[in-house]
Amino acid sequence: DAGVIQSPRHEVTEMGQEVTLRCKPISGHDYLFWYRQTMMRGLELLIYFNNNVPIDDSGMPEDRFSAKMPNASFSTLKIQPSEPRDSAVYFCASSSPRYDRPGEQFFGPGTRLTVL
Amino acid sequence: SQQGEEDPQALSIQEGENATMNCSYKTSINNLQWYRQNSGRGLVHLILIRSNEREKHSGRLRVTLDTSKKSSSLLITASRAADTASYFCATAVPNSGNTPLVFGKGTRLSVIA
Repeated sequence: DAGVIQSPRHEVTEMGQEVTLRCKPISGHDYLFWYRQTMMRGLELLIYFNNNVPIDDSGMPEDRFSAKMPNASFSTLKIQPSEPRDSAVYFCASSSPRYDRPGEQFFGPGTRLTVL
Repeated sequence: SQQGEEDPQALSIQEGENATMNCSYKTSINNLQWYRQNSGRGLVHLILIRSNEREKHSGRLRVTLDTSKKSSSLLITASRAADTASYFCATAVPNSGNTPLVFGKGTRLSVIA
């Protein structure tokens, strides 16, 4: 299995531009999570999906952030318009309920976003 | 809000020494998990301990859980330079289907060769 795939790995953009981050979860996993990691705030859960349906988006910082999961193998996190304070590493993770490893999450390599 | 709080925030040891990291949490849990993050990479699951377990081993890793004190510790024995990473605890709360996990801020471990 290829693991969780994220693209792009690095993104540098200017303030005000739209940014789209992409994620392909592990096949068969029915939970997908988007996190943001910064030195100041640590790892923050932004939103998570179960069977393509958003379950909790209370971590999404502002209306500028939106996430979709049109099918079981693809999700996007969009920031429009982007601001310098959005600079962070964004991780996607997926999981599947298993009795022997309940709640274990598999993380992608992350997208390092820099907004100038 | 983050439930898990790791202690210390940073730890530096010599290769071959043991490293102990602690995690405290606030509410009841179903299980507690430890993850490792190498620089520039995603988190990787290391070990899980359920609320009815007190100790668990996996290779050079030993995890303990004290639910009365709401705390856990991760011990890495005979550390190696390759163990240099950040280590996070994550908790799964009851009645949540073990989702989502709540992560702490991590302990940065440096193992000096």
